[in-house]
Amino acid sequence: AQSVTQLGSHVSVSEGALVLLRCNYSSSVPPYLFWYVQYPNQGLQLLLKYTTGATLVKGINGFEAEFKKSETSFHLTKPSAHMSDAAEYFCAVMPQGAQKLVFGQGTRLTINP
Amino acid sequence: DADVTQTPRNRITKTGKRIMLECSQTKGHDRMYWYRQDPGLGLRLIYYSFDVKDINKGEISDGYSVSRQAQAKFSLSLESAIPNQTALYFCATSDLAREGQETQYFGPGTRLLVL
Repeated sequence: AQSVTQLGSHVSVSEGALVLLRCNYSSSVPPYLFWYVQYPNQGLQLLLKYTTGATLVKGINGFEAEFKKSETSFHLTKPSAHMSDAAEYFCAVMPQGAQKLVFGQGTRLTINP
Repeated sequence: DADVTQTPRNRITKTGKRIMLECSQTKGHDRMYWYRQDPGLGLRLIYYSFDVKDINKGEISDGYSVSRQAQAKFSLSLESAIPNQTALYFCATSDLAREGQETQYFGPGTRLLVL
């Protein structure tokens, strides 16, 4: 079965620093890949997604992610963290033909002033 | 108004009670989902429905049932609640696009505590 691993349940960075949230998937056939964000007391919202084409995907709020097939990874980055980025981030995959999302366990991002 | 609404937002119940969580959407989407969120486990799929006549079990359907009353409404029931069903429950919707292109839209969640 397809699985998703997010390295680090908690990540803390200083305001203005680089944000790097890691996501690896297990599949011999690359799935469709997503990052969702959950702000406090809210539901999830889509940050970005990779389906086909360019492997560097840009999302909302300055985030981007790069699909690396050789590493089975889809890490999320932002060059400069802002206090408003504090949230929980979920990597998710949709195996081709499955029509269902499989979520990682989430990474809580804390921004220090 | 929110596109995906869930009621109630918070619920405390006792072991053995039957409860229903409701989800409504105004997005006109055919697909609806129920997830539960537990700390450290992410979101896990309970049930999903691709149209009014289509209901499917997810990875953790035991102890739950669903009803798709209309395109816009999808309810989740706990027939006899138990403490390990204490969790945050999310409803989501999506519209069929090209495979892999669909975005899921989430409601605000229902926080359930089973005593």
